[in-house]
Amino acid sequence: DAKTTQPPSMDCAEGRAANLPCNHSTISGNEYVYWYRQIHSQGPQYIIHGLKNNETNEMASLIITEDRKSSTLILPHATLRDTAVYYCIVRVYGGSQGNLIFGKGTKLSVKP
Amino acid sequence: GAVVSQHPSRVICKSGTSVKIECRSLDFQATTMFWYRQFPKKSLMLMATSNEGSKATYEQGVEKDKFLINHASLTLSTLTVTSAHPEDSSFYICSAKGGISAGNTIYFGEGSWLTVV
Repeated sequence: DAKTTQPPSMDCAEGRAANLPCNHSTISGNEYVYWYRQIHSQGPQYIIHGLKNNETNEMASLIITEDRKSSTLILPHATLRDTAVYYCIVRVYGGSQGNLIFGKGTKLSVKP
Repeated sequence: GAVVSQHPSRVICKSGTSVKIECRSLDFQATTMFWYRQFPKKSLMLMATSNEGSKATYEQGVEKDKFLINHASLTLSTLTVTSAHPEDSSFYICSAKGGISAGNTIYFGEGSWLTVV
């Protein structure tokens, strides 16, 4: 799987939008961008994924650049419970193995 | 989203004993499950891929005789830490790949804290 690059940490004020960037300049045409988050002492939680179009669900929005070399996860109204480590991962959709390779992620701290 | 459950969430065992951790996909069948290990303030490290009905595939450096994996059914995989030592103390996490109905997305269990004393 392609490697991703994320800032190690970010702060966000409660109630404001949190924009988490991710670079994946070597992404292949059949690889999707997945976002997970891990709250302290819990297993990772799936957030959203996309190929090339922007995606939105009840948790977040995913904006992928036209060249697909980078993406941004947007939490529209961050709450204190959104404090977590966010992982951006690229993976072949439905790949025979499908294991996820985790980088160091971005530690998001939402402050009151 | 699909649900993956791990049990126990916390376990303490004595050195030299074995401990089993279960991973279940509750509302979907998973032909493939994955086991990860995570040390404090570190990212998840893939240990092995568990395939239903066949032997697990281990990552380089992971002792297959120490970390026994069994994928007995389409909804259950187990990780047994044999002859546990204090250095095996860690957070163990499983994940399962959902099928087409679950968008082929990978879902994670809640994790299991193992402390070897």
